[in-house]
Amino acid sequence: GAGVSQSPSNKVTEKGKDVELRCDPISGHTALYWYRQSLGQGLEFLIYFQGNSAPDKSGLPSDRFSAERTGGSVSTLTIQRTQQEDSAVYLCASSLMRGASYEQYFGPGTRLTVT
Amino acid sequence: DQQVKQNSPSLSVQEGRISILNCDYTNSMFDYFLWYKKYPAEGPTFLISISSIKDKNEDGRFTVFLNKSAKHLSLHIVPSQPGDSAVYFCAASESDYKLSFGAGTTVTVRA
Repeated sequence: GAGVSQSPSNKVTEKGKDVELRCDPISGHTALYWYRQSLGQGLEFLIYFQGNSAPDKSGLPSDRFSAERTGGSVSTLTIQRTQQEDSAVYLCASSLMRGASYEQYFGPGTRLTVT
Repeated sequence: DQQVKQNSPSLSVQEGRISILNCDYTNSMFDYFLWYKKYPAEGPTFLISISSIKDKNEDGRFTVFLNKSAKHLSLHIVPSQPGDSAVYFCAASESDYKLSFGAGTTVTVRA
């Protein structure tokens, strides 16, 4: 079956512009996560969605970042007024249920470059 | 503040020999640990995990060891194969869904 897909695979944008990143999770997975990986760093948790519950936004680095998940499936991560420090690979993952013991399946990521 | 640390950014090993990857953590509340493997241009894929109630978990060529008193875990790959060349991430969780990741170790298996 299809895995987690993300689009675009690469995005170059000018500082100050807004960007939208998309994630299509595995069908039937109730949990969805966004991470980012900056150069030389590990994956940094950004936001978590579980079913119809309020998302856990505790990892979002600033109010320029927001995310939504429509219909319990597709998710978009929006970064407003992008800054150069936002340059990173943004990874989406989904899992069947909530909990660390449920394997998180990752998409290939979106490489964002802010010039 | 990085709670999970992989202090070796890279490791080179000969095919057929053992690869040992190390990971240290600072948060004593972590109770579930995972290793992920990542190839270029792909997302990380789950490799093996261990609960804090165990000190060893084995799956084929991969074994994870946990030393809670030292807040240290390691991944052993034996024998190493060329297809094992990848970036390996250590991750940890506090009884929930949030994973804290290390920066990764790049393994190169030489023929």
